[in-house]
Amino acid sequence: KQEVTQIPAALSVPEGENLVLNCSFTDSAIYNLQWFRQDPGKGLTSLLLIQSSQREQTSGRLNASLDKSSGRSTLYIAASQPGDSATYLCAVLYGQNFVFGPGTRLSVLP
Amino acid sequence: EAQVTQNPRYLITVTGKKLTVTCSQNMNHEYMSWYRQDPGLGLRQIYYSMNVEVTDKGDVPEGYKVSRKEKRNFPLILESPSPNQTSLYFCASSPLRDSGNTIYFGEGSWLTVV
Repeated sequence: KQEVTQIPAALSVPEGENLVLNCSFTDSAIYNLQWFRQDPGKGLTSLLLIQSSQREQTSGRLNASLDKSSGRSTLYIAASQPGDSATYLCAVLYGQNFVFGPGTRLSVLP
Repeated sequence: EAQVTQNPRYLITVTGKKLTVTCSQNMNHEYMSWYRQDPGLGLRQIYYSMNVEVTDKGDVPEGYKVSRKEKRNFPLILESPSPNQTSLYFCASSPLRDSGNTIYFGEGSWLTVV
């Protein structure tokens, strides 16, 4: 059974810092890995999708990497802003289903 | 506009009174899924469906039913709701045809069972 974990569970940083969120999965037989953002009480918004054949994806200040063999992905956020405060979830497409991690709650302080 | 629509968005109900949360998507997606989200427990899958008339249990199916009679609709049924089903519920869909596809979420349904 695929399990997805995320470290840290919560993170608080001052504005302007670069930061890294971590995601691990137990079975490397995934089709893709995605990072989502969720604001309190809201739905999930897809940020980046990395297909199994890819190593990384970039969008603006966000960069996500994927190392399938080690079962890890990182989300790098450059020059963090208060507007980045949210919960970030990773998910893998495994078999015919999506498996989600528990999320990292990020607070960026002004 | 491509979207996943859930109704109702907010509901307070009493223990034992059957209720249905509807979910509809306009993207012709094969895959649909229901999740519940509780503080400290993350997003937990209730049921999912790979296509019409095909449904499978997720991690927490107890107390819930689903049906997939049409491709666009995937209602979540609580036959006899209990207070421990108070939660934020999300419906989602995906084409799932290849590894480049993402999953789309509805805006969520806040359910309170008293």
